[in-house]
Amino acid sequence: AQKITQTQPGMFVQEKEAVTLDCTYDTSDPSYGLFWYKQPSSGEMIFLIYQGSYDQQNATEGRYSLNFQKARKSANLVISASQLGDSAMYFCAMRESTSGGSYIPTFGRGTSLIVHP
Amino acid sequence: DSGVTQTPKHLITATGQRVTLRCSPRSGDLSVYWYQQSLDQGLQFLIQYYNGEERAKGNILERFSAQQFPDLHSELNLSSLELGDSALYFCASRAGGANTGELFFGEGSRLTVL
Repeated sequence: AQKITQTQPGMFVQEKEAVTLDCTYDTSDPSYGLFWYKQPSSGEMIFLIYQGSYDQQNATEGRYSLNFQKARKSANLVISASQLGDSAMYFCAMRESTSGGSYIPTFGRGTSLIVHP
Repeated sequence: DSGVTQTPKHLITATGQRVTLRCSPRSGDLSVYWYQQSLDQGLQFLIQYYNGEERAKGNILERFSAQQFPDLHSELNLSSLELGDSALYFCASRAGGANTGELFFGEGSRLTVL
């Protein structure tokens, strides 16, 4: 079973508008973390935002916010005031603690976001 | 700039050959992760090292091996290469201790097997 599901292969948004990228996850670990990464066409993976399973408030980092709905196991990324430079692949990831105490992030298949001028 | 350095950035080689990818983690990071990104498989975890010791193994083929050296740099060795090994290979590092656990990725090594 997929641990991270991103159902939107591609999304389009007008510049300056907000966009929500969906992510649902599956885990039985009570302590987990959720991440979003951005991968522009140049290829590097850029960390955007983190949400811990025990965090009471939604994480925010500048124009990025994470809409964390624990009961629904969803961790959607909201980008406000989209910019042309936001065009990229976006990956949702989850880390669980393994029996060895390590943290191995698992990634979704990604959503391609294109921002139109 | 994430602080993680990977070399080479691009590599073209033939089937049956062997290559070595190198990674220098961020200063002070003890954990190194290797991931493979291909179009059909997405981003797949290969292996993790922590302070020189193998910590976790993912979908790493027997033809692949890795190690982390005392200076904390890591190498991923890919042998008997096949066309399907063509992919972007990422190294990432993470600070040790109690933290949020985000990984900092290098720019990747793009391997093309012809």
